[in-house]
Amino acid sequence: KAGVTQTPRYLIKTRGQQVTLSCSPISGHRSVSWYQQTPGQGLQFLFEYFSETQRNKGNFPGRFSGRQFSNSRSEMNVSTLELGDSALYLCASSPVDSLGTDTQYFGPGTRLTVL
Amino acid sequence: AQSVSQHNHHVILSEAASLELGCNYSYGGTVNLFWYVQYPGQHLQLLLKYFSGDPLVKGIKGFEAEFIKSKFSFNLRKPSVQWSDTAEYFCAVNRNSGAGSYQLTFGKGTKLSVIP
Repeated sequence: KAGVTQTPRYLIKTRGQQVTLSCSPISGHRSVSWYQQTPGQGLQFLFEYFSETQRNKGNFPGRFSGRQFSNSRSEMNVSTLELGDSALYLCASSPVDSLGTDTQYFGPGTRLTVL
Repeated sequence: AQSVSQHNHHVILSEAASLELGCNYSYGGTVNLFWYVQYPGQHLQLLLKYFSGDPLVKGIKGFEAEFIKSKFSFNLRKPSVQWSDTAEYFCAVNRNSGAGSYQLTFGKGTKLSVIP
């Protein structure tokens, strides 16, 4: 099976712009989560989607948003970019079982640089 | 809110030395526990996981971890490291609400450098 894919892999934006990142989960996986990775804060949970619904949200401002499509693909959007948004954004997918005990598989990430 | 602590920021070992990386979490309920590894230039990969049952779990590449519930710990071990184990290791916890919701809380990571 192909792994989690993320596009684009690298992105350079300027402050005030907005950006959309895309994630295609492993085939058959219905849960998609997003994380931000920075040297200072480490890996932080952004949000999780399942069946096109946001089930969980981390402690990030409303400038960070996401959505999931019927084919489980997901996008995240960051509006009004700030310098501090420079980070590696990781997407992870899970097959989901009814007990919530499954594993997340990570993509290679999108490296966002805000100038 | 739950948190995960990894005791060592950077560990330097010689090849064949034994490894133990500490991980403690703060949540009293049912948790799922993971160790992920990030090799230089690669994405996060799952090393091993604990959901229930035998608290000693074995993962890939000779790694194992022991869940000690009374100590809220999930330490990673390997009896003999190799240069190829040079990577950053992350402990992560998913609070198991039984509702199938996934929200991993990660530790800050431990960089392991293995000297040939």
